[in-house]
Amino acid sequence: ETGVTQTPRHLVMGMTNKKSLKCEQHLGHNAMYWYKQSAKKPLELMFVYSLEERVENNSVPSRFSPECPNSSHLFLHLHTLQPEDSALYLCASSQGAELGNEQFFGPGTRLTVL
Amino acid sequence: AQKITQTQPGMFVQEKEAVTLDCTYDTSDPSYGLFWYKQPSSGEMIFLIYQGSYDQQNATEGRYSLNFQKARKSANLVISASQLGDSAMYFCAMREEYNFNKFYFGSGTKLNVKP
Repeated sequence: ETGVTQTPRHLVMGMTNKKSLKCEQHLGHNAMYWYKQSAKKPLELMFVYSLEERVENNSVPSRFSPECPNSSHLFLHLHTLQPEDSALYLCASSQGAELGNEQFFGPGTRLTVL
Repeated sequence: AQKITQTQPGMFVQEKEAVTLDCTYDTSDPSYGLFWYKQPSSGEMIFLIYQGSYDQQNATEGRYSLNFQKARKSANLVISASQLGDSAMYFCAMREEYNFNKFYFGSGTKLNVKP
């Protein structure tokens, strides 16, 4: 595998379920990100991990819980979600040392909450 | 205030013609970087081009060039010789040196290339 991978690609869950999204980067980067992309809205930054420490948490509801066990893996644990949480969840990674280092994105997980 | 503004929700261009996608930004940090990404219908965001705030020349990458006008705080993407495969959403993004961990994205422009 190369680049940034995300599993699952599609997820349908009920409001009482608990599920996790997984992201893995094979690029040796030291920063990882979760974004939410809803229809007709700008990309919303949710969490940023740099060197495995959470450095940004953009007022995300507690029903979203991130976990970064090492610099290559990032999880987003989901519980008691609402229908408005249905969206494309994108993971990205970057090498933090240079301003010009772009983010590399995964293919996303399309989440539907019933 | 919005950090990144993309005022064109949708654009059409004829195949083989050039198209300009607009982006304006807002920052008080003297050191920042500007990025453009392409998102096809498959969903994956693809990096296209980067411009640093101190770069003297406009960035170019193949058919993509960035028209950087610092005083106007604009960073428009120019795609030359459009191809059908260029049909996608295009996002402008910015990263500031003082808040290094955040990337700010615009709302995007949907480009449709007509045959």
